[in-house]
Amino acid sequence: KAGVTQTPRYLIKTRGQQVTLSCSPISGHRSVSWYQQTPGQGLQFLFEYFSETQRNKGNFPGRFSGRQFSNSRSEMNVSTLELGDSALYLCASSLGGDGYTFGSGTRLTVV
Amino acid sequence: EDQVTQSPEALRLQEGESSSLNCSYTVSGLRGLFWYRQDPGKGPEFLFTLYSAGEEKEKERLKATLTKKESFLHITAPKPEDSATYLCAVRVTSGTYKYIFGTGTRLKVLA
Repeated sequence: KAGVTQTPRYLIKTRGQQVTLSCSPISGHRSVSWYQQTPGQGLQFLFEYFSETQRNKGNFPGRFSGRQFSNSRSEMNVSTLELGDSALYLCASSLGGDGYTFGSGTRLTVV
Repeated sequence: EDQVTQSPEALRLQEGESSSLNCSYTVSGLRGLFWYRQDPGKGPEFLFTLYSAGEEKEKERLKATLTKKESFLHITAPKPEDSATYLCAVRVTSGTYKYIFGTGTRLKVLA
């Protein structure tokens, strides 16, 4: 059974640019969540989507946005990149209720 | 303010030397406590979910317990392959669901 797939694995962007990250959940999983992981802050919740609707949102600025498509695939977008946005971005899917299955993440470096 | 604290930050054990990792939380409206294992360069891997005080779950050398204020992850006779970062997370309700991760315990098991 395929796991959660995130693309790309690595990305280097310049300050001020925007970036789009992609996540394909496990087949049948309708809930997709995004997290930012940094050495100093650990894992921080960005947002959760369920059946194309944003169900929860963390405390991140409006530059961070996401969406979910009818096939449950999800994308997150970060506009006007800042150096502090450098992090590992993790996507996770679930059937709902219990633990997540995480992807391997996208390592974003902003220079 | 909702908070999750894990201790110790790092732990070195000899193979076979049992120990416990701690996750203490101060949250309102707990709707589940989760344990994950994360290996370098990978996303977290789900281990357990605990919902109510007194609940216990086991998987191989790992056993998770929950009280009203903290959770413990007991590792019995660890092996080098148990080396990883162990993350604790809580799901809380404050208007909508919110997910808070601790910063993890880095475990190193020496042969």
